[in-house]
Amino acid sequence: EVQLVESGGTFVQPGGSLRLSCAASGFIVNHYEMNWVRQAPGKGLEWISYISSNGATIYYADSVKGRFTMSRDNAKNSLYLEMNSLTVEDTAIYYCAREDPSAVALDYWGQGTLLTVSS
Amino acid sequence: DILMTQSPSSLSASVGDRVTIHCQASQDIKNYLNWYQHKPGKAPKLLIYDASNLRTGVPSRFSGSGSGTDFTFTISRLQPEDFATYFCQQHGHLPPKAFGQGTNLEI
Repeated sequence: EVQLVESGGTFVQPGGSLRLSCAASGFIVNHYEMNWVRQAPGKGLEWISYISSNGATIYYADSVKGRFTMSRDNAKNSLYLEMNSLTVEDTAIYYCAREDPSAVALDYWGQGTLLTVSS
Repeated sequence: DILMTQSPSSLSASVGDRVTIHCQASQDIKNYLNWYQHKPGKAPKLLIYDASNLRTGVPSRFSGSGSGTDFTFTISRLQPEDFATYFCQQHGHLPPKAFGQGTNLEI
């Protein structure tokens, strides 16, 4: 069974840093494109990052470019999102999601982890 | 960057109704458009990919159409479990893989 479990969300002060993790099971992460998506309170879904299956291509949304870094640990079958210079606008539930290569759609998502940035 | 404009932002309907949601892309994205359902506290769920392809296991009352810049998502006969927020997402021009603003479907 495919499962994605995010962790690491917590309360952080503005300007702080945090690393989110996404543990995958039921499939091998480096065989798939993977994404991070977030949802701020009362807002819609916002795509923020993508990594290709071979790891050679990583994209970021303009809102996080230069502050967030997406990475992968194949040995741990996990994804990470390193976040720096956090602002209150980064407060959101963060989801990792697998991309179906034939559909180019996010076919499996985790339950999300909540990051709150506040002073 | 491509912008996705989704309408309406909210919609009230009753069980058994037919509802339609629209999504417009700021540029031609061919058929590279997906639809998701999202319920509070749950993981989003893929329903339709490439504009009109129903994901395996998704009920046939859900459908999608369109190409280029204009797309439509339809639920033919609303069921109680369908009340949720629905999002379109483009993957034709990367990055970003932009989502629409969402449509909150309420009873």
